[in-house]
Amino acid sequence: AQSVAQPEDQVNVAEGNPLTVKCTYSVSGNPYLFWYVQYPNRGLQFLLKYITGDNLVKGSYGFEAEFNKSQTSFHLKKPSALVSDSALYFCAVEVGGFKTIFGAGTRLFVKA
Amino acid sequence: GAVVSQHPSWVICKSGTSVKIECRSLDFQATTMFWYRQFPKQSLMLMATSNEGSKATYEQGVEKDKFLINHASLTLSTLTVTSAHPEDSSFYICSARGGASTGELFFGEGSRLTVL
Repeated sequence: AQSVAQPEDQVNVAEGNPLTVKCTYSVSGNPYLFWYVQYPNRGLQFLLKYITGDNLVKGSYGFEAEFNKSQTSFHLKKPSALVSDSALYFCAVEVGGFKTIFGAGTRLFVKA
Repeated sequence: GAVVSQHPSWVICKSGTSVKIECRSLDFQATTMFWYRQFPKQSLMLMATSNEGSKATYEQGVEKDKFLINHASLTLSTLTVTSAHPEDSSFYICSARGGASTGELFFGEGSRLTVL
């Protein structure tokens, strides 16, 4: 079965420290991978995507993600966290060229 | 990026009434839109895929007669929750793929439905 796993319900990090939000996937074929962010009572916003090419993808707000095919992972990273980064983050994978499957989400808390 | 507008943001209704939620693509044409439901502290559950000019494709376990989807134009899809009950209270979100983009979805702001 095709799936996306975000093993951490919550990640806590101090402002200024690097952050990592983990994501692993299980799909057949070459995946299209995405990260989205959701603020309270809002829809999701696109952060970045991996389609092909360089394994390190840079996105909005200073976020980046590294595609690792051997580990089937696509972890979201940021070198220096901001309090305003506190939100709910979703990893997603497009399957069959059409449908998008979302992970359970990871809540990020950045403490000042 | 492409803009998707969803209305209303909040709606409170009495049990037994119907509620319509609109999803519009403002600067692009969307032949396909997606409707999700999100429970508190949980991920998005795909309810159905809305196809312009044809019937929606519903995910397993989603009641077609309860959640009516209409996609009458390339910029508008509507979700009608019929005969709403308190258990239908949830956050409903629509999305579409941007016209010239590759893969990513653009989401509406979501609609919080509370059924009393």
